[in-house]
Amino acid sequence: DTAVSQTPKYLVTQMGNDKSIKCEQNLGHDTMYWYKQDSKKFLKIMFSYNNKELIINETVPNRFSPKSPDKAHLNLHINSLELGDSAVYFCASSPQTAGDYDEQFFGPGTRLTVL
Amino acid sequence: ELKVEQNPLFLSMQEGKNYTIYCNYSTTSDRLYWYRQDPGKSLESLFVLLSNGAVKQEGRLMASLDTKARLSTLHITAAVHDLSATYFCAVNFGNEKLTFGTGTRLTIIP
Repeated sequence: DTAVSQTPKYLVTQMGNDKSIKCEQNLGHDTMYWYKQDSKKFLKIMFSYNNKELIINETVPNRFSPKSPDKAHLNLHINSLELGDSAVYFCASSPQTAGDYDEQFFGPGTRLTVL
Repeated sequence: ELKVEQNPLFLSMQEGKNYTIYCNYSTTSDRLYWYRQDPGKSLESLFVLLSNGAVKQEGRLMASLDTKARLSTLHITAAVHDLSATYFCAVNFGNEKLTFGTGTRLTIIP
């Protein structure tokens, strides 16, 4: 069984469109994250949620809006897509945000290409 | 500023050789993680280091943590082609998130 899953795996779209990426984890974890990995492989956190509550909101354009309907799901909606949004987006989850159980487990990634 | 630096960024080594990847971080932490990423794939957790002096080994890889020096090392022994990947270290600075290093792209040459 897949622990952290994301859909879609690939997303190709035109500038200006709106798109969503979905993430689900079946690990029973309380915390979920969104990361962006750019073309140079640099990984940067965007958001994290703990039990449906937003706890980290990095300096990300407000075109990006996360939503957590329950603690097993974290979706990412992107409005008015720009060329610079092209990247791989990873979802991750962890049992806790601190303490001995903060190891993060990553989903397979969604490769977003904006044309 | 909370920073995590890895070196080298690129490493090309021959099969059978030993080498070490270094991960330095900017301020106090005793929680450090190593991940592996194959091309086009996700990040796979390799090691969790949770205290000063922690040492973990798995196969040809061994990771250690020196919190006083703010340094972790990932040592590769007798490299084999299957170890070719990008390796990331990540640090929890107590701010409820991981700060990742730049990654080290390792290529093992037959």
